[in-house]
Amino acid sequence: KQEVTQIPAALSVPEGENLVLNCSFTDSAIYNLQWFRQDPGKGLTSLLLIQSSQREQTSGRLNASLDKSSGRSTLYIAASQPGDSATYLCALKSDRGSTLGRLYFGRGTQLTVWP
Amino acid sequence: EAGVAQSPRYKIIEKRQSVAFWCNPISGHATLYWYQQILGQGPKLLIQFQNNGVVDDSQLPKDRFSAERLKGVDSTLKIQPAKLEDSAVYLCASPAGSDTQYFGPGTRLTVL
Repeated sequence: KQEVTQIPAALSVPEGENLVLNCSFTDSAIYNLQWFRQDPGKGLTSLLLIQSSQREQTSGRLNASLDKSSGRSTLYIAASQPGDSATYLCALKSDRGSTLGRLYFGRGTQLTVWP
Repeated sequence: EAGVAQSPRYKIIEKRQSVAFWCNPISGHATLYWYQQILGQGPKLLIQFQNNGVVDDSQLPKDRFSAERLKGVDSTLKIQPAKLEDSAVYLCASPAGSDTQYFGPGTRLTVL
């Protein structure tokens, strides 16, 4: 069974810092990996999607990488801003027969960026 | 393009009562997911529909949970009877062709 772990569980940084959020997974049979943002009381917003054949994706100040062989993904946020404060979740889409297409989520990293 | 709509946004019930949630996915999206997100955890898949057929309901507690998607458009998720441990946010999602998942705002259920 796919297990997804996110470290750290919580992170508090001053505005302007560059930071890295980590996601690790146990089963490399994945179709793709997505990073989501969740604001309190809201649904999830997709930030970046990396297909299994890709190594990284970039959108603005965000860069996500994927290393299937080591079971790791990182989300890099450059020049953090208070508006980046939210919970960040990674999710893997299974490419394994019995669970094909199922999304497995980590517990998330709660990020606070203070001015 | 309108987003995924869910209602109600909040619901408080007592244990052993029944409750139903509604989801209207993005127009034209054939796939629809229901997730349960317990506080402090990531979402867990409950059921996946493709049009009006069930693709994956292996993690749905079928003794108390049921879901349907009539006509392959909107969907309802029902809990009967509710337990304390059902307190969670229930999220509906539909993917676009690029696999990007679009989530609704969720329904926060509190079971007392």
